[in-house]
Amino acid sequence: NAGVTQTPKFRVLKTGQSMTLLCAQDMNHEYMYWYRQDPGMGLRLIHYSVGEGTTAKGEVPDGYNVSRLKKQNFLLGLESAAPSQTSVYFCASNRQGQETQYFGPGTRLLVL
Amino acid sequence: AQKITQTQPGMFVQEKEAVTLDCTYDTSDQSYGLFWYKQPSSGEMIFLIYQGSYDEQNATEGRYSLNFQKARKSANLVISASQLGDSAMYFCAMREGAKGGGNKLTFGTGTQLKVEL
Repeated sequence: NAGVTQTPKFRVLKTGQSMTLLCAQDMNHEYMYWYRQDPGMGLRLIHYSVGEGTTAKGEVPDGYNVSRLKKQNFLLGLESAAPSQTSVYFCASNRQGQETQYFGPGTRLLVL
Repeated sequence: AQKITQTQPGMFVQEKEAVTLDCTYDTSDQSYGLFWYKQPSSGEMIFLIYQGSYDEQNATEGRYSLNFQKARKSANLVISASQLGDSAMYFCAMREGAKGGGNKLTFGTGTQLKVEL
């Protein structure tokens, strides 16, 4: 089992560019999440999904879109990147009824 | 108001000593869960321990225990016999509401623990 993987590991964008972050899990988990981590702050929830084809907003959803077309994948999109979106992005997943969330290794994004 | 408060930005502990990392929380839900995660310098998030609001016994996982005081709304992490490898950032987190519908977590700002020889 690879667990939760994230692609890419690191990316530099210019303001206004778009990109998609990919999260994949091979544990057949129903729930998936995207968080961002900024210096001096804990992780904050961006969007989440409770199943294939469903998504919902978290605490800081503005500027991001998500899609869950397949159960194992959760995509995070930035349509027009801004410097304020410079952050480390973590994906996580867990099985329905299970408390523990398993995190991916993170994607470091720098927006210039 | 902060839902999760970690008041210790940094802590030092001698190797083999025990250390307590503080966490207080704020919720009006009856059903909730409390978590501790470890983030070493390599950046990954490692689950340590979980406590449900209805659990009567404090959770323990090896050298980690969670000192759960419901009336005080505190969920402190106790690490016994500290090791150099325990040096890391530690985050307290809370899941509000009943299970199901996604386990949305709210995190504290973290405590940086340094274990010294």
